[in-house]
Amino acid sequence: AQSVTQPDIHITVSEGASLELRCNYSYGATPYLFWYVQSPGQGLQLLLKYFSGDTLVQGIKGFEAEFKRSQSSFNLRKPSVHWSDAAEYFCAVGYNTDKLIFGTGTRLQVFP
Amino acid sequence: NAGVTQTPKFQVLKTGQSMTLQCAQDMNHEYMSWYRQDPGMGLRLIHYSVGAGITDQGEVPNGYNVSRSTTEDFPLRLLSAAPSQTSVYFCASLDRLSSGANVLTFGAGSRLTVL
Repeated sequence: AQSVTQPDIHITVSEGASLELRCNYSYGATPYLFWYVQSPGQGLQLLLKYFSGDTLVQGIKGFEAEFKRSQSSFNLRKPSVHWSDAAEYFCAVGYNTDKLIFGTGTRLQVFP
Repeated sequence: NAGVTQTPKFQVLKTGQSMTLQCAQDMNHEYMSWYRQDPGMGLRLIHYSVGAGITDQGEVPNGYNVSRSTTEDFPLRLLSAAPSQTSVYFCASLDRLSSGANVLTFGAGSRLTVL
């Protein structure tokens, strides 16, 4: 069965530190891959997506993610975290862009 | 454009009551869907629709009904609410017919508590 694993439920970093959020998936073929962010009390906003081509994708707010087929991973990175990045981050996959399977989320806390 | 609009934002129900969560989009998207979000479980697909008059079940459809009489609206009905339906509900839409890659656009969510 298709699944998405975000192994880190909660991550705490200091402002200015680098960040990597992990995402692994189990799928029959290379799926479409997404990262969404949810600020408290808000809906989900797309950070970036991978459909094909260059395996390093750039997103909004200075985030990037790298697709590694051999590891079935799509980890999200940011070189320097800002306090405003505190939120919950969801990795999602799908054969198409519509019926997505979401991971359980990683809550990011940023200390000044 | 307002995007995807959900109402109400908050609702408290008693067990057995019925209610409808409203979802409207003004982007002429063919595809619309409902997800529920629960702690530690991420988002799970309840129902979806690929166009007016067409609906289908997602991963967790039990206890919910949907209909799609217009392109713009996709209401989610709870006929007899249960405490297990306490959750945050998100509506999302997508333009499947446009060329190029498109992504789901989410509403702000509706928080439902069933006592």
